[in-house]
Amino acid sequence: QKEVEQDPGPLSVPEGAIVSLNCTYSNSAFQYFMWYRQYSRKGPELLMYTYSSGNKEDGRFTAQVDKSSKYISLFIRDSQPSDSATYLCAMRAAGNKLTFGGGTRVLVKP
Amino acid sequence: DTGVSQDPRHKITKRGQNVTFRCDPISEHNRLYWYRQTLGQGPEFLTYFQNEAQLEKSRLLSDRFSAERPKGSFSTLEIQRTEQGDSAMYLCASSLALMGQGRTEAFFGQGTRLTVV
Repeated sequence: QKEVEQDPGPLSVPEGAIVSLNCTYSNSAFQYFMWYRQYSRKGPELLMYTYSSGNKEDGRFTAQVDKSSKYISLFIRDSQPSDSATYLCAMRAAGNKLTFGGGTRVLVKP
Repeated sequence: DTGVSQDPRHKITKRGQNVTFRCDPISEHNRLYWYRQTLGQGPEFLTYFQNEAQLEKSRLLSDRFSAERPKGSFSTLEIQRTEQGDSAMYLCASSLALMGQGRTEAFFGQGTRLTVV
């Protein structure tokens, strides 16, 4: 079993809808949680970074962490076709190595 | 400095040949990481440098792989005797960590896509 599980999708939504993404993890040592966006054949781009349980909002993006359930989420409001990409969750313990989920492909249809 | 730079962007090589990739991190960043990403998967950690010191290596990094960061600035990743299973995107990332002053998270380059034929 992988340390970080993420539904590969694809997740198809109409423009303007809310995109809901999530990851589960098994390693209770993970303390820092990130979401990256990756366009086809490009490198991952850091979207959100959270530490500890709770919510964090940045523009149209909201990240949630529930450490008790080992579950993290990313919500994208008012989705745009330009949000079509693969979204990767990543997490680390106190060290430096990031452990990634497999990514969820999102398609926002105009 | 606009971000992490990787060269080349694409490399096609024959099985058995050696290849070398270069990564230039964000200039003030003291930590540099290499990851490998295969199609449909998330990146997997390979190795990490703090300045010029290589502090951690994954068991994915076989004897055919070697990474250096000789002056604590750019880094190279060499793969010797390439195999078809080495075909992947090789990603470099950098971050800044200062004692007692917190840290940034990792910022990634655009990657080098390796195809071994």
